[in-house]
Formats: sequence, C-alpha cells, structure tokens
Amino acid sequence: QVQLQESGPGLVKPSQTLSLTCTVSGASLTSGGYYWSWIRQHPEKGLIWIGDIYHTGNTDFNPSLKSRISISIDTSKNHFSLTLRSVTAADTAVYYCARDTASRNGLDVWGQGTTVTVSS
Amino acid sequence: EIVLTQSPGTLSLSPGESATLSCRASQSVSGTHLAWYQQRPGQAPRLLIYGASSRATGIPDRFGGSGTGTDFTLAISRLEPEDFALYYCQHYDNSLYTFGQGTKLEIK
Repeated sequence: QVQLQESGPGLVKPSQTLSLTCTVSGASLTSGGYYWSWIRQHPEKGLIWIGDIYHTGNTDFNPSLKSRISISIDTSKNHFSLTLRSVTAADTAVYYCARDTASRNGLDVWGQGTTVTVSS
Repeated sequence: EIVLTQSPGTLSLSPGESATLSCRASQSVSGTHLAWYQQRPGQAPRLLIYGASSRATGIPDRFGGSGTGTDFTLAISRLEPEDFALYYCQHYDNSLYTFGQGTKLEIK
C-alpha cells in the first residue's frame, strides 16, 4: 500500500523560502511509471496544482507559480521536495503531495496534507 | 488554459436520494483525462472517477461518471451520510492539471 507523507515547517515568514518534503512508502521512486505532484488548497477554497516531477527529474509547473517554484527528487531517500520562494500571505494553504500514473488517469494517492501559514 | 465550471455550487439532498453534479469545460476536452474527487472535511481529496467514467479502486458502484466534449456528470445514487462532502472535477492537458471550483453536497 503506497503512502505519502508531507513534512515541513508550519510557519514561514513573508519573503522567505518554503521547503516541503513528501516521503513515499510502499513504492520506490526509482521504478518509474508515476508522476509525483504538489497541490495546494487555500483556506475554504479549491485545489490548485503546483507542479510535478518524474523519476528522471523532469518537471512541469503551473505557469502561475513557475517563477517561484522548484521540485526535486531524491531517490536514495525516496522522497521529493517542493521549494517556493518569496512567499507572501497568499501562499498560506494546506499543501498536499499526490501521485498520478504515467497515463495521467487521476491523482490516486494523496498525502494527508500539511498546513503552512505565512506570517511574521 | 481550460477552465472547469462546476454546478451547482451547493446541492442540498437527503440520504437515500440521488445527486447529479455537473462539470463544464471552457472548450472540448478529452474524457481520457477527466477525473472526479471527493473531499470530506479535514481530509485529502480521494479519487472517485478517472477517464470520465471509470471508477477508481474501492469506489462503490453508486458513483458513476459520464460525459464527453465539454459536459461531464458525476451521479451518486442512494446517498449515504458519508457521501455529503465536497466534490471536484479535474482535467489534465498540455502539462497542466486544472480543477473545478467544487460542489458542496450537503444534507437537507
């Protein structure tokens, strides 16, 4: 059974950099066949896809966030990470990591989410 | 960028009734990459339907998806208390995932 677990700071100051990690258990990131995504949800709002990464390191990003984000993968630790630079209060959200198949059939495994607040 | 518009915003029904949720795309899309999710309070979304009409693993047959082109529907029959939640449609195209704004299914 594949499980995803987000981790990172719950509080980040404005203008700083947010770093989150998603640890994968029950599957190996080296095996391929899946895309690993980050999604966020603002309080009482809908879902926004941030970007994803393949085991090769290839990434795709939401154009609205592309200038401030990077996603990396560490197959030795079986985790992938999100970096979001120059955060503002508008980046306050619940951040989820999730998995999709190479066929893009839908995000079938999700982490429980981690709440990030941007505040001084 | 494709925009997904869900309706209604809120749907009030009673347990045992049937629900019909709509997702309209701003342009014709491939149903191959159209999915539906359920999100209960305090939980992550859960994949219900992929490919517009295929149920994800473990999803009961009370849930059904249909549609082509710009209009897609999620139908839920014999509503149970745990079905009252938020529902999102989602589409993938051109290296971008987009979500609808959601429909809240609430108990009448």
